[in-house]
Amino acid sequence: LAKTTQPISMDSYEGQEVNITCSHNNIATNDYITWYQQFPSQGPRFIIQGYKTKVTNEVASLFIPADRKSSTLSLPRVSLSDTAVYYCLDTNAGKSTFGDGTTLTVKP
Amino acid sequence: DTAVSQTPKYLVTQMGNDKSIKCEQNLGHDTMYWYKQDSKKFLKIMFSYNNKELIINETVPNRFSPKSPDKAHLNLHINSLELGDSAVYFCASSPGALAGEPLNEQFFGPGTRLTVL
Repeated sequence: LAKTTQPISMDSYEGQEVNITCSHNNIATNDYITWYQQFPSQGPRFIIQGYKTKVTNEVASLFIPADRKSSTLSLPRVSLSDTAVYYCLDTNAGKSTFGDGTTLTVKP
Repeated sequence: DTAVSQTPKYLVTQMGNDKSIKCEQNLGHDTMYWYKQDSKKFLKIMFSYNNKELIINETVPNRFSPKSPDKAHLNLHINSLELGDSAVYFCASSPGALAGEPLNEQFFGPGTRLTVL
């Protein structure tokens, strides 16, 4: 599985909407797009997964265009506790490759 | 109840020693993984087991040997530890997945911070 590309870091302020975009230049037909969140000193935690178009859950929304070469994780109204590293992955069955992650810092 | 647990949480040892990290999941999952996260936070998969069978073995030195006594446990044994082995090691589990289907949500343990002196 190919490694994804995402910004190294982003800053935001409390209450803002944050969009983190990931490039999936080598995504395969059978791959799904998955996002994880990792807080310091903890293991990654699943946020959301999709194949194409839009997926929304209680935490975030995931936008995937028709060509699936990118994805955007949208976090509505972030708070200080959303400060974490966010990883996007191409996943298929038992295989996945984590990208380098985006460190999101939410400021008061 | 902790879903995925690892022991120990911290492990400090000398170069050349042999050490083991244990992982247990009580989620009834079929698949378990070991990941290594280095100081730059890069997370790399090392091994994956499905129902006690090895299905992924990335380019990991053969000093690392996973052992799965049953599908709820996946232990990692490391021989002849080197300085470069210092990292945080995460165990994870997920329901079994078939080729062409999405990788089901992985549940990660709290990590084991290994420091080799």
